[in-house]
Amino acid sequence: DAKTTQPPSMDCAEGRAANLPCNHSTISGNEYVYWYRQIHSQGPQYIIHGLKNNETNEMASLIITEDRKSSTLILPHATLRDTAVYYCIVLQWGGNNDMRFGAGTRLTVKP
Amino acid sequence: ETGVTQTPRHLVMGMTNKKSLKCEQHLGHNAMYWYKQSAKKPLELMFVYNFKEQTENNSVPSRFSPECPNSSHLFLHLHTLQPEDSALYLCASSPRRTGGSYNEQFFGPGTRLTVL
Repeated sequence: DAKTTQPPSMDCAEGRAANLPCNHSTISGNEYVYWYRQIHSQGPQYIIHGLKNNETNEMASLIITEDRKSSTLILPHATLRDTAVYYCIVLQWGGNNDMRFGAGTRLTVKP
Repeated sequence: ETGVTQTPRHLVMGMTNKKSLKCEQHLGHNAMYWYKQSAKKPLELMFVYNFKEQTENNSVPSRFSPECPNSSHLFLHLHTLQPEDSALYLCASSPRRTGGSYNEQFFGPGTRLTVL
């Protein structure tokens, strides 16, 4: 059962902000939102995660709506090297559970 | 460089061969994972080991046999594979198998497997 919904693809101009949406309308109170990305033919790379507050690190910002039913990953100044498939994953805190990857969003950053 | 290494990076094998994939992590993690990524498909979780004990087997055919001799090493033994098993096999590790902050997974570069 799909816990998250993402658009299959997006384009972004180099230097502009990339905003990647994710719907997780059935998220429960103890589930975190994780973002990973996978550059072509490499292993996935952790980007950021959050519960209900907005989060920021050196790679990206994560904005979670107040009702927690959706979130947006923001890459503030996209570069060509940010071209990748971005995965939004919902994961329960503290349980013996594992990440399930969906199809993700293929982001193409164009010059 | 994620601290997770996989060997070999590329492997071509016949359907009657026996081969093994190796994964090693230098992060002091206690959980390790095998994933399969076929062309144009999402990553599929195959096996999970937590503190060297197998805790998950997602209906993987018996021609794939995992082994975790210690918390730093993970193997995937392959025998009598089919051409449809050709895929990128990814290993990952995490501090332990839990949700929340402790489940950030670090992935290796993968082994590109081709079965002829």
